[in-house]
Formats: sequence, C-alpha cells, structure tokens
Amino acid sequence: SQTIHQWPATLVQPVGSPLSLECTVEGTSNPNLYWYRQAAGRGLQLLFYSVGIGQISSEVPQNLSASRPQDRQFILSSKKLLLSDSGFYLCAWSQASGDYEQYFGPGTRLTVT
Amino acid sequence: GESVGLHLPTLSVQEGDNSIINCAYSNSASDYFIWYKQESGKGPQFIIDIRSNMDKRQGQRVTVLLNKTVKHLSLQIAATQPGDSAVYFCAEGRGKLIFGAGTRLAVHP
Repeated sequence: SQTIHQWPATLVQPVGSPLSLECTVEGTSNPNLYWYRQAAGRGLQLLFYSVGIGQISSEVPQNLSASRPQDRQFILSSKKLLLSDSGFYLCAWSQASGDYEQYFGPGTRLTVT
Repeated sequence: GESVGLHLPTLSVQEGDNSIINCAYSNSASDYFIWYKQESGKGPQFIIDIRSNMDKRQGQRVTVLLNKTVKHLSLQIAATQPGDSAVYFCAEGRGKLIFGAGTRLAVHP
C-alpha cells in the first residue's frame, strides 16, 4: 500500500531563517506531487506541483520554492522566512494517469516568529 | 470568478441525525468532484468522489449528490456520529483539484 510521510510535524522558526520541509511517498512510482498551504480555519492553497523529477510548477508567486530531487521526494524550501509563511503545509500525491484523487500527508505546522 | 464555495461555514447536528453539507461550483466544465474530511491537526482524508456523468454515488454512511443544472454538490452523512466532527472540503477537478473553503461539522450528544 502507498504511504506518504512529512517531516517535521511542527516547526518554529524566526523571521529571516531558512526552511526545508520534506515529503516522501512509498509504494508507488512516478506520482504527481503537490505542496499546499492552509491558513488557520481556511481552505487549501496549491503552492507547487510536480509531474516528474526536476519538473516544478508554481501556482502563486511567493517566498517559497520547491524541488524534486528523486521520484518520490518533494522538498519545500525558503531562503528567508516571512511572518506570512506561517501555516499548515500539506504534501499530497496522485497517480500520474490523470486521476484527480489526491492523498495527503499528515502535514507540518510552521510558526514563524 | 470561478470558484468552489460552501453555503454554510459551520453545521451543528445531534448525534444520530443525518447531516447535509452543501457546496456550489461555478465551472460547468469540471468533470470530477471529491469530498475530503479533515480532523484537527491532520491532513485531509478522502471520503467519496463523483464524476460529472453521475448524479449520485453512495458509500458507507455517505452519499454524494451532484446537480449539474444548478452546479450544486452535497455530502450526506447518515446517522452522524461524534467521530464525524471535522472540517469537510469539496473540491472540483478541471486539470487540477480546486478546493472550497470548508464547512465545520460539529456533532453534539
């Protein structure tokens, strides 16, 4: 069966510090991968998606970047965090065949102080 | 603009009653709709989906209804239980999933 992992689960970082959140998927190959941000009490905002190694599409201009160094690894980064980067970050995967159903990881709660 | 939204931000129900969560969408080109449940501090979990060529689909205690005429989607939960308390998101698929803002379901004993 497929599983998706995210770490860390929670993170408190000062403004101006770098960020690296990692997501890995097991039990499938060549998945589509997604990064979402969720503000408190709000819906999901798609930040990045990837259809393959090294292929990243950005949905909104922002202070963050994403990379996919391996087939089942997706990383969300920032060189200098802003207060507005605080939120709940979710990674998700879907089959590459065009199936819309996405499977979400447990999320990372980021607080920028 | 095009969007997926929800009629009620919060829904309170008594344990054992049926719950109905509504969602409106604006793009008739959307061909896939999905409901997710998100418990506090966790990632969303798939509940049920429906394609645009269907009007109704049933799962275990849940039913999704799609009315393409008025671009309306609903999630019905039968015999609501305390464990159903969560935020429910609808999403429409048109190339990518676009999520609505969510409805919080609160189940009272």
